[in-house]
Amino acid sequence: ETGVTQTPRHLVMGMTNKKSLKCEQHLGHNAMYWYKQSAKKPLELMFVYSLEERVENNSVPSRFSPECPNSSHLFLHLHTLQPEDSALYLCASSQVGAGNNEQFFGPGTRLTVL
Amino acid sequence: AQSVTQPDIHITVSEGASLELRCNYSYGATPYLFWYVQSPGQGLQLLLKYFSGDTLVQGIKGFEAEFKRSQSSFNLRKPSVHWSDAAEYFCAVGARYGGSQGNLIFGKGTKLSVKP
Repeated sequence: ETGVTQTPRHLVMGMTNKKSLKCEQHLGHNAMYWYKQSAKKPLELMFVYSLEERVENNSVPSRFSPECPNSSHLFLHLHTLQPEDSALYLCASSQVGAGNNEQFFGPGTRLTVL
Repeated sequence: AQSVTQPDIHITVSEGASLELRCNYSYGATPYLFWYVQSPGQGLQLLLKYFSGDTLVQGIKGFEAEFKRSQSSFNLRKPSVHWSDAAEYFCAVGARYGGSQGNLIFGKGTKLSVKP
C-alpha cells in the first residue's frame, strides 16, 4: 500500500450504532488530520494529531472520538450519530516542520446515517 | 480572520478552451498556497503549491498558478482544458509558522464542467 488509505470506503449506520473509521499513512509523516466534507460546505477540519498527540479539536461533538495509537494510524470512533453527520470523511497526513504544509489525502469514507 | 474565497461555485468551459479559476485569500502574512483537485467520490490530489521564489508555479496535468501578493490571489490556469479535467478544485492556504503550522484552510471549491 502507498500513500494514505482509508477503510471502509462506504458505511451505512443507524443512529444507535457504534462504528469506527480507519486511516493509515505509509509516508512516514508526523501529523494526521480528520476532515468532514458535506455538500455545499467547505472542508471542515475536525481533528489534528501531531506526533500522536491531539493538538486541535475544532468544536466537534463528542459523538466523534478520535484515536491515534501511533504515527501511522488514525481512527475516528462514531456513536449515536445524527443524519446530519452523513458526509465524506477524509483523512490526511503531512510532515510538519519540513518546510511545507503539503497534506496528502486518502480517498475518504462515505458515511450515511439513517 | 483567515479565509479563502473561491468566488465561482460552478464553471463550464468547452473542451480545448482556456481556464482560469479564481482564489483570493485573507491572511496575516504570506502563507503557503495550494490547489487541490477532487474527482467524484475520491480524495483530494495536489495539483501545485507555492512556497517561495518564482510566483508562477507549474503543476501536474498542465496546470499553473500565479501568486499575486498585491491582490492576495492565487489563480489557477490551464491553456487548453480536457474532458478529464472535469472535477472540483479547491484552493487552500497554510501557515508558515506558529501553532497552526501544518493546518490548511480550504475554499468552498469550484466545480468544473467540460462541454464536448
